[in-house]
Amino acid sequence: DAKTTQPNSMESNEEEPVHLPCNHSTISGTDYIHWYRQLPSQGPEYVIHGLTSNVNNRMASLAIAEDRKSSTLILHRATLRDAAVYYCTLQVTGNQFYFGTGTSLTVIP
Amino acid sequence: DAMVIQNPRYQVTQFGKPVTLSCSQTLNHNVMYWYQQKSSQAPKLLFHYYDKDFNNEADTPDNFQSRRPNTSFCFLDIRSPGLGDAAMYLCATSRDNRGRYEQYFGPGTRLTVT
Repeated sequence: DAKTTQPNSMESNEEEPVHLPCNHSTISGTDYIHWYRQLPSQGPEYVIHGLTSNVNNRMASLAIAEDRKSSTLILHRATLRDAAVYYCTLQVTGNQFYFGTGTSLTVIP
Repeated sequence: DAMVIQNPRYQVTQFGKPVTLSCSQTLNHNVMYWYQQKSSQAPKLLFHYYDKDFNNEADTPDNFQSRRPNTSFCFLDIRSPGLGDAAMYLCATSRDNRGRYEQYFGPGTRLTVT
């Protein structure tokens, strides 16, 4: 059973904001939401994570729905270096880390 | 720089010949994870160690074993590799396993089975 669902692909123009959605309708109260991104032939790179409140860091923002059944990763100004596969993951109580299927982001110059 | 190191980056083994992949970390993190990532798929957690405590995922085949002799090192042993075990193997670390902290990933070892 899928813990998270994401669109397979998205496109964005360079220097425009990007909103990457993720659904996690079976999330429990203590499950953290993490986002990672991965370039070809590299290990995933941490982007951001949160539990209940919206989060900001130097890379991105994470908006978490009030019922926590969905979240959105926001890249404020997409650059060509942001082209990657973005994974929405859940840290599930009991220590498991479930990766979603990922969204392949294409940034158009 | 503190980091997660995986050796080798590329490994070729023969069908049925045991193989060991290694991971080391300079972050002094309590938790070390092993993931399997097949082509065009998301990483799938195989197991993890919290300190010396081993936590196996329910659907990880018995063919996969792990050892963590000390805080810095963790090994993935594949006892009898099959063609279906060809994949990228990723090692990651974290301060704890409750999700409060991010995971740091190594570059991965790409395993080919001939």
